[in-house]
Amino acid sequence: DAKTTQPPSMDCAEGRAANLPCNHSTISGNEYVYWYRQIHSQGPQYIIHGLKNNETNEMASLIITEDRKSSTLILPHATLRDTAVYYCIAGSYNTDKLIFGTGTRLQVFP
Amino acid sequence: DTGVSQDPRHKITKRGQNVTFRCDPISEHNRLYWYRQTLGQGPEFLTYFQNEAQLEKSRLLSDRFSAERPKGSFSTLEIQRTEQGDSAMYLCASSPSHGYGYTFGSGTRLTVV
Repeated sequence: DAKTTQPPSMDCAEGRAANLPCNHSTISGNEYVYWYRQIHSQGPQYIIHGLKNNETNEMASLIITEDRKSSTLILPHATLRDTAVYYCIAGSYNTDKLIFGTGTRLQVFP
Repeated sequence: DTGVSQDPRHKITKRGQNVTFRCDPISEHNRLYWYRQTLGQGPEFLTYFQNEAQLEKSRLLSDRFSAERPKGSFSTLEIQRTEQGDSAMYLCASSPSHGYGYTFGSGTRLTVV
């Protein structure tokens, strides 16, 4: 599975969009980009995934660059409850396991 | 079925004791995973099952660790002769056989004193 690189921490004002970047320059053609988040003392929660097209669901949007070497998770209107560690993971669709890095700690402030 | 359940939520044990954790996955999920997470780190893969078959074990899973999933339903993770370095959050997740979207439990926090 391709390695991903994320900034260790970010801040965002409540109500503003949170844009979380992820680099995955060695991603292969059949590998998806998955995003999970982990709120303190809970297990990780699936957010969204994509291959090459931009994706949107009720939680977030995922923008993947045309060369697929990087992506951005967008939380359009961040709330205090979005404070969490966000993990970007590259893996095949039917991957046997997900390999987590250290993620980005997003702090949403009032 | 409301998700993945793990029991207990917290466990404090003395060094050298054995501990066992239980995970009840989402009933229609064939795959079950165990991860370990220490402070400030992302979850680390330990092992996974497809139904009752244990298909992969990480090198992190020493001989003191054993996992089972009898009948392909719930799973147990046992740690024998616990050491202080075993203190961590142990997470269980399940997923369908094909596709994405693991569902994680809330974890069992183990403290070895």
